[in-house]
Amino acid sequence: GNSVTQMEGPVTLSEEAFLTINCTYTATGYPSLFWYVQYPGEGLQLLLKATKADDKGSNKGFEATYRKETTSFHLEKGSVQVSDSAVYFCALTPNSGYSTLTFGKGTMLLVSP
Amino acid sequence: GAVVSQHPSWVICKSGTSVKIECRSLDFQATTMFWYRQFPKQSLMLMATSNEGSKATYEQGVEKDKFLINHASLTLSTLTVTSAHPEDSSFYICSASGTSGHNEQFFGPGTRLTVL
Repeated sequence: GNSVTQMEGPVTLSEEAFLTINCTYTATGYPSLFWYVQYPGEGLQLLLKATKADDKGSNKGFEATYRKETTSFHLEKGSVQVSDSAVYFCALTPNSGYSTLTFGKGTMLLVSP
Repeated sequence: GAVVSQHPSWVICKSGTSVKIECRSLDFQATTMFWYRQFPKQSLMLMATSNEGSKATYEQGVEKDKFLINHASLTLSTLTVTSAHPEDSSFYICSASGTSGHNEQFFGPGTRLTVL
C-alpha cells in the first residue's frame, strides 16, 4: 500500500534559519506529491506540489523536489519567519485517476524571533 | 477559486444528541468529497469518501450508522454525528475535488466538535 513517512517534530528554529523537513514515500507507480500546511485552529492549505519525477514545487519561499530514485520529497526554505510556525504534512495521491490522499503524520515547526 | 467552506466552525453539544456539519464547495462542482478526522497533534484520518448521488464509502473501522454522510448535490456534503459521545470530540475536516482539479483536494477550514 501507499505510505508517507515524515520526520518527527517539533522542529524548533530561530528566525532566518534554514529549514528542512524530510519526507519519504512508498507507492506503486508514479504518485503525485504534496506539502500541506496547517496553521493553528485552521484546516489544511496546499503549499506546493509535484506531479512527476524531478519536478520542483515551490511557493512562498518553500521548495521541494520530487526524487524518484530516493522516493523523497523533502521540504526546504532558506530563511524561515515566525509566521511559518505551523504543522506541515507531506502527502501523496496515486496517479490512477483517484484523488485519495495519503498523509504523513505531520511535522510541527516552531520559529522563534 | 476552489474555496471550500464548513459550517459550523465549532460546536458544543450534549452527549446523546446529533450534530450535523456542512461542507460546501463555493466556486466549483465537487464530484467527490472527503471527510477526515484529526486528533490533537496527529495526522488526518480519512473517514469516508462520497461521490455526488452515491452512497459514501467508509474506511475500515468507521461506523456507518454513527457517522452519516450525505452528498446530495455537487456543492454540498453533510456529516451527521449521531448520538454523540465525548470520545467523538475531535476536529472534522472536509475536502472536495472536482473534474477540473485532477488529483487535487481543496480543504475546508474544519469544524471543532466538543461533546460534553
